[in-house]
Amino acid sequence: KNEVEQSPQNLTAQEGEFITINCSYSVGISALHWLQQHPGGGIVSLFMLSSGKKKHGRLIATINIQEKHSSLHITASHPRDSAVYICAVRSGETSGSRLTFGEGTQLTVNP
Amino acid sequence: GAGVSQSPRYKVAKRGQDVALRCDPISGHVSLFWYQQALGQGPEFLTYFQNEAQLDKSGLPSDRFFAERPEGSVSTLKIQRTQQEDSAVYLCASSLHRLGEQFFGPGTRLTVL
Repeated sequence: KNEVEQSPQNLTAQEGEFITINCSYSVGISALHWLQQHPGGGIVSLFMLSSGKKKHGRLIATINIQEKHSSLHITASHPRDSAVYICAVRSGETSGSRLTFGEGTQLTVNP
Repeated sequence: GAGVSQSPRYKVAKRGQDVALRCDPISGHVSLFWYQQALGQGPEFLTYFQNEAQLDKSGLPSDRFFAERPEGSVSTLKIQRTQQEDSAVYLCASSLHRLGEQFFGPGTRLTVL
């Protein structure tokens, strides 16, 4: 079992739909990251959070430390949101700073 | 610079050839990370530098992989005697400090024939 599990692996939506991507992890963490990767490999950091909820534009990220679960929500989805979304966790501070990544969720938003 | 840069963006190597991949982190960023991303997979940690010190190299898959950051800025990942299984995208990331947000470069796509 991977330390970081994402669901779904693939998601197809129609423009305007509300989207949720889930991430579960099995280790103690100091922070969780949501990343976006477009074709060609470039990775953009969307959120880094250790508790509660963060919002940026149409994107919302939540984390429940007790349940070891995080969600990324996209409101009013648009075709330009099509990308791979990756959840990554940073283990406790004594374990260094490495990130452990999920395998990603491929999102396709159709017009 | 404005962001993390990597070069080359694409590299094709014949099996057995040595390759060197370069990472220019954001100026002033103390921490630098290398990750390997196989096709269709999430990235996996290779190694971590704090300034010029390589504090964690536990993710390097074999002794053919070597990384350095001699002046605490630019880093080079070297792969000796490349094998087909080394084909992947190699990502570099930097952060202002050890626990800070990591900013990723565009990656180098290595194809070993």
